[in-house]
Amino acid sequence: DIQMTQSPSSLSASVGDRVTITCRASQGISYYLAWFQQKPGKAPKSLIYAASSLQSGVPSKFSGSGSGTDFTLTISSLQPEDFATYYCQHYNSYPLTFGGGTKVEIK
Amino acid sequence: EVQLVESGGGLVQPGGSLRLSCAASGFTLSDHYMDWVRQAPGKGLEWVGRSRNKANSYTTEYAASVKGRFTIFRDDSENSLYVQMNSLKTEDTAVYYCATAVRDNNGHYYFDHWGQGTLVTVSS
Repeated sequence: DIQMTQSPSSLSASVGDRVTITCRASQGISYYLAWFQQKPGKAPKSLIYAASSLQSGVPSKFSGSGSGTDFTLTISSLQPEDFATYYCQHYNSYPLTFGGGTKVEIK
Repeated sequence: EVQLVESGGGLVQPGGSLRLSCAASGFTLSDHYMDWVRQAPGKGLEWVGRSRNKANSYTTEYAASVKGRFTIFRDDSENSLYVQMNSLKTEDTAVYYCATAVRDNNGHYYFDHWGQGTLVTVSS
């Protein structure tokens, strides 16, 4: 199975900050990587697929990059509604697996 | 507008069975791959399994943790996806989400829309 490792597991940031979250796959997954946002008590929301493609309706302050084993999610200017937990997930092969999550908290 | 509404969660004893439903609207279920993903209380997301679309004969894939105990199936006439969960264990306690999966240009499928989830608690 492909293991997905996110770092950091949590971070504190201020409104307006630029935030970067890293996701590493235990083996190459090309660009078959997605990112999700989840707020407490809510379902995940799809943000990015194919490592860098925004899902419909997702604001351009979110961006993704990477291929192979190393990927990043960047939020260009953190807003109050962006405080949430973010997950990466590969869809290169079965089983599909998620990273452990990164909780973005208010400083 | 795509909508996915899960139901059927509840309290069940270890060793028991439960069937969850995912009612789909706003799209043609038979055209889509569909997945179940779960989240144990306070934990991260875990993929449970997938049902491919009609064009791919509704074949399925499962996580090792549920293979042989869970069965994903659908009734396209009812526009509904199901997961039959047998021999439930305490570690199956989680919120269960259904999600649509969309094909990319290279034939890989990524998650798109999600339902709101239904809670399954396995406890004596």
